Amino acid sequence: DGGITQSPKYLFRKEGQNVTLSCEQNLNHDAMYWYRQDPGQGLRLIYYSQIVNDFQKGDIAEGYSVSREKKESFPLTVTSAQKNPTAFYLCASSPFWGNTEAFFGQGTRLTVV
Amino acid sequence: AQRVTQPEKLLSVFKGAPVELKCNYSYSGSPELFWYVQYSRQRLQLLLRHISRESIKGFTADLNKGETSFHLKKPFAQEEDSAMYYCALSVPIQGAQKLVFGQGTRLTINP
Repeated sequence: DGGITQSPKYLFRKEGQNVTLSCEQNLNHDAMYWYRQDPGQGLRLIYYSQIVNDFQKGDIAEGYSVSREKKESFPLTVTSAQKNPTAFYLCASSPFWGNTEAFFGQGTRLTVV
Repeated sequence: AQRVTQPEKLLSVFKGAPVELKCNYSYSGSPELFWYVQYSRQRLQLLLRHISRESIKGFTADLNKGETSFHLKKPFAQEEDSAMYYCALSVPIQGAQKLVFGQGTRLTINP
C-alpha cells in the first residue's frame, strides 16, 4: 500500500519525556509537513521540509523538533518543553514545494499521562 | 493575516436534502482554496480544489472573491457523505506553500 505511513497509531508518554513520531512516505514527494489537530481548532502547521537536510518552522514549532535526513522520512520529536502535547498529529507530503495538494497519513494520537 | 473560517462546527441534514458547508477566508493575495474530507477511520483526503472547477462525488464549490467565500454544496445529500470537512487556503511561506485550515465542520446525514 503506497502512501504515507505514520507510526505508532497511539502513543502514551509520561510528563517530562521526549517522544518521536515516525512519518515515512514512498510517493517520492519532495515536501513534507507536520500538523497538529486539536478539537475545534482545525490543523495547525508545526514544521515543514521542502528538501532533504532542510526544514523550517511552522506556526506552532515551539517544543517540537524535526529532521530530514532522507527524502522518505520526516520524524517529529515532541520534547518535554511542549506545554500541551496531548493531541492528534498528522504528517503530510506533496510532490514538490509549489504543489499544494497534500497527501496525509492516518495520524498519531499522543497522550501525556 | 491569512485565516479560514468555517462557522458551523456541526451540520445535520436529512438524506436527499441539499447541503451547504460554509467557508470564508481572509487573504490579501489571489486565493487558492481546497476542500478536504475525513471519513470515519480514514485519512484526511482532498475532495476538490477551486482551480479545477470540477464536481467530485456530487459536490461543487465556487470561489466568490467579492464575498471571500468558498462554500461547498451538494444538491442531494447521501448517507455516505457523513464526514468531517475542512476548508483550506494555500499561502506562500519562504519559497514554499502551506495550507491554512478552517476549524472543520462535522456533517451528519440522517436517514
